Amino acid sequence: NAGVTQTPKFRILKIGQSMTLQCTQDMNHNYMYWYRQDPGMGLKLIYYSVGAGITDKGEVPNGYNVSRSTTEDFPLRLELAAPSQTSVYFCASRQGASYEQYFGPGTRLTVT
Amino acid sequence: QQPVQSPQAVILREGEDAVINCSSSKALYSVHWYRQKHGEAPVFLMILLKGGEQKGHEKISASFNEKKQQSSLYLTASQLSYSGTYFCGTPSYNTDKLIFGTGTRLQVFP
Repeated sequence: NAGVTQTPKFRILKIGQSMTLQCTQDMNHNYMYWYRQDPGMGLKLIYYSVGAGITDKGEVPNGYNVSRSTTEDFPLRLELAAPSQTSVYFCASRQGASYEQYFGPGTRLTVT
Repeated sequence: QQPVQSPQAVILREGEDAVINCSSSKALYSVHWYRQKHGEAPVFLMILLKGGEQKGHEKISASFNEKKQQSSLYLTASQLSYSGTYFCGTPSYNTDKLIFGTGTRLQVFP
């Protein structure tokens, strides 16, 4: 059981570039989440999904897009990267009957 | 509305106790507690549901007072391994979103 995996671990983007952050879980969890954490700050919810084909916005969705075509995968797309998107991105998942969220190791993104 | 945690930071010697508070301006139905060690992902500690029950994890316990819209995390006889940032999280009403608090950084020294 790998749990929640995220790729890449680190990435440097130039302003205006695009990229996709990958998130995969092998626990058959229905719920999946994307958070960003700015240096020394808390976690802000970007998007979440309650199952394949269903996604919804969180607190800070602007500049991001998601899709959920399978239970296992929940990729986060950044279009037209901006310096304000420099952050650590965490993906998390949970079972429907449980409140505990399992987090991936994170992706550290720098936009310059 | 983001829950507010206090204090922002705590410095302890091993064996000392600490209390971390989490307050919300909105009605609370449950409070979730997570710990994040430096450079790592957050890890779930416990959840408290409406009813004021206390929960425990190692020597860490918590209480939930829905009337006062707050929860407190009690760390007893702290160990070096308790160092990290503690976050409370509260569900946004009628959604599956969890809104995390401002965080409390705890450092335990020998």
